[in-house]
Amino acid sequence: EVQLVESGGGLVKPGGSLRLSCAASGFTFSSYSMNWVRQTPGKGLEWVSSISSSSGDIYYADSVKGRFTISRDNARNSLFLQMNSLGADDTAVYYCAKDSGSSPDDFDSWGQGTRVTVSS
Amino acid sequence: AIQLTQSPSSLSASVGDRVTITCRASQGISSALAWYQQKPGKAPKLLIYDASGLESGVPSRFSGSGSGTDFTLTISSLQPEDFASYYCQQFDSYPLTFGGGTKVEIK
Repeated sequence: EVQLVESGGGLVKPGGSLRLSCAASGFTFSSYSMNWVRQTPGKGLEWVSSISSSSGDIYYADSVKGRFTISRDNARNSLFLQMNSLGADDTAVYYCAKDSGSSPDDFDSWGQGTRVTVSS
Repeated sequence: AIQLTQSPSSLSASVGDRVTITCRASQGISSALAWYQQKPGKAPKLLIYDASGLESGVPSRFSGSGSGTDFTLTISSLQPEDFASYYCQQFDSYPLTFGGGTKVEIK
């Protein structure tokens, strides 16, 4: 069974940084592209970033480009999102999600999410 | 970026009703569209892939259709567990984008 478990969320001041992690199990992590998707309170879903299986291809939403960095460690079956220069607009639940197959693709498995709150 | 416009943004329906949600893309995306269901406090769940493929384990009352710019999610007979929010997503090109969502409520 595929499992994705996010961690690292919390309360951070504007301008601060946070690093999210996603621990993956139940599938061959190194074979799939992975993604971060966020959802602001009471709002819809926003794709944040994607990384290919080998880390050779990385994509970001314009809203986070230059501030967020996605990375992965295939030996540890882990996905990361380094978030810098955080602002109130970054307050959201952050989900890691697994690609179904060849990127770009739909997301066939999601974690439970980790909440990030940016507030002074 | 490809914009996805979902309609309606919300609807009220009764158990047993046939429900249709539409998603329109700002440019052609072939069949690179997925539909997700999300219940309060939970992660989205994939229902439909490649515009019309039924994800494993998803009840057959859910179906998807369309290609190019116009897509539809249909629930043939609404069940109590189907009251939730539904989102379309395009994966034709980056940046990946989602529709604004449709909340299906009990009438």
